[in-house]
Amino acid sequence: GNSVTQMEGPVTLSEEAFLTINCTYTATGYPSLFWYVQYPGEGLQLLLKATKADDKGSNKGFEATYRKETTSFHLEKGSVQVSDSAVYFCALRGNAGKSTFGDGTTLTVKP
Amino acid sequence: EPEVTQTPSHQVTQMGQEVILRCVPISNHLYFYWYRQILGQKVEFLVSFYNNEISEKSEIFDDQFSVERPDGSNFTLKIRSTKLEDSAMYFCASIGLAGAPGEQYFGPGTRLTVT
Repeated sequence: GNSVTQMEGPVTLSEEAFLTINCTYTATGYPSLFWYVQYPGEGLQLLLKATKADDKGSNKGFEATYRKETTSFHLEKGSVQVSDSAVYFCALRGNAGKSTFGDGTTLTVKP
Repeated sequence: EPEVTQTPSHQVTQMGQEVILRCVPISNHLYFYWYRQILGQKVEFLVSFYNNEISEKSEIFDDQFSVERPDGSNFTLKIRSTKLEDSAMYFCASIGLAGAPGEQYFGPGTRLTVT
């Protein structure tokens, strides 16, 4: 079956530091890939997505590129802010529409 | 921007009681899903529903769970006899042609607390 492996957390960074959260996946076919963000006590917010190989998703300074050859979709941001502190989930969605999520990575950004 | 809505936002119930979690998917969406997130853990798939029947379910979705689309707008998850370990956030999602085609929209979640 499909699976998503995320870099273990928690991750603690200083403001303006560079962020990378690794995500690799196993899937049959050609899944779509997503990053979701979850703030404390809230639901899932779609951060960015990519639907085919070599697509780059981007939003609010975050980026991730769908790498089929390495089955990866790493999340990056050049300069994090305190307000980026949250839990980040990598996910894939197959043709049947079911989403499979990674374990989540907690990011804390300190001023 | 279309959105999925869920009610209630927080439900507290006693062990052994039945609960019904309600979702209103985006109008004209065709595929419906329930997911669960135990506090501090990842989001897990429960069930998918299409054409008025379950299309896939996980091993979590045992006989205590059922789903229904009683009318053209609501999609419900029923837990027949709640257990302490059912305490979690439950997310509804839908996919269809409204909004961005193929986009899966998640609701804000219902936090279920079983005491």
